[in-house]
Amino acid sequence: GIQVEQSPPDLILQEGANSTLRCNFSDSVNNLQWFHQNPWGQLINLFYIPSGTKQNGRLSATTVATERYSLLYISSSQTTDSGVYFCAVMNYGGSQGNLIFGKGTKLSVKP
Amino acid sequence: DAGVIQSPRHEVTEMGQEVTLRCKPISGHDYLFWYRQTMMRGLELLIYFNNNVPIDDSGMPEDRFSAKMPNASFSTLKIQPSEPRDSAVYFCASSPGVTYGYTFGSGTRLTVV
Repeated sequence: GIQVEQSPPDLILQEGANSTLRCNFSDSVNNLQWFHQNPWGQLINLFYIPSGTKQNGRLSATTVATERYSLLYISSSQTTDSGVYFCAVMNYGGSQGNLIFGKGTKLSVKP
Repeated sequence: DAGVIQSPRHEVTEMGQEVTLRCKPISGHDYLFWYRQTMMRGLELLIYFNNNVPIDDSGMPEDRFSAKMPNASFSTLKIQPSEPRDSAVYFCASSPGVTYGYTFGSGTRLTVV
């Protein structure tokens, strides 16, 4: 099945710093989403972005489907950005509905 | 909209007991998904429904697990009998379609002792 690799696995930032999280996937996709799991365990959908670029406030994401990667940018990080960021993909030729999650990037933002 | 609503938030049960987890999807969302999150395996799909019909249950671990969706606004995931290895966080999610964003509920943290 499709493989999803996220990097880095862990990231520690000082408040105000910028960061880039990466998601590589091994096959073509028709669905790619970024999620934030906060310290209370809630999974929040950040972006649905199978291709192209989107921005929402301090967060933006870019997916280059032909090169099989996606990037999540966090600017001017805040302590509330802490948590785990997941990339999830659906293989274009695979089981539709099965969104495959990566292992995540654990982000800690220090005040 | 209140989002995807799951109940209970926490469940502690003894091995061998029946456990029922509940989910109310967002109104108008035709797809409903049950996921399980563990430290060892991460987030994995158990089963999903389209218009109340189960489409893919290949992720259901074994016959002890069953899921139903009797109508568009309610789904259950049942474990009978429960075992300690079933301890995990179970999430329900809904979506307008498989090529749309998914909205997750707050999850049910299940502990089987």
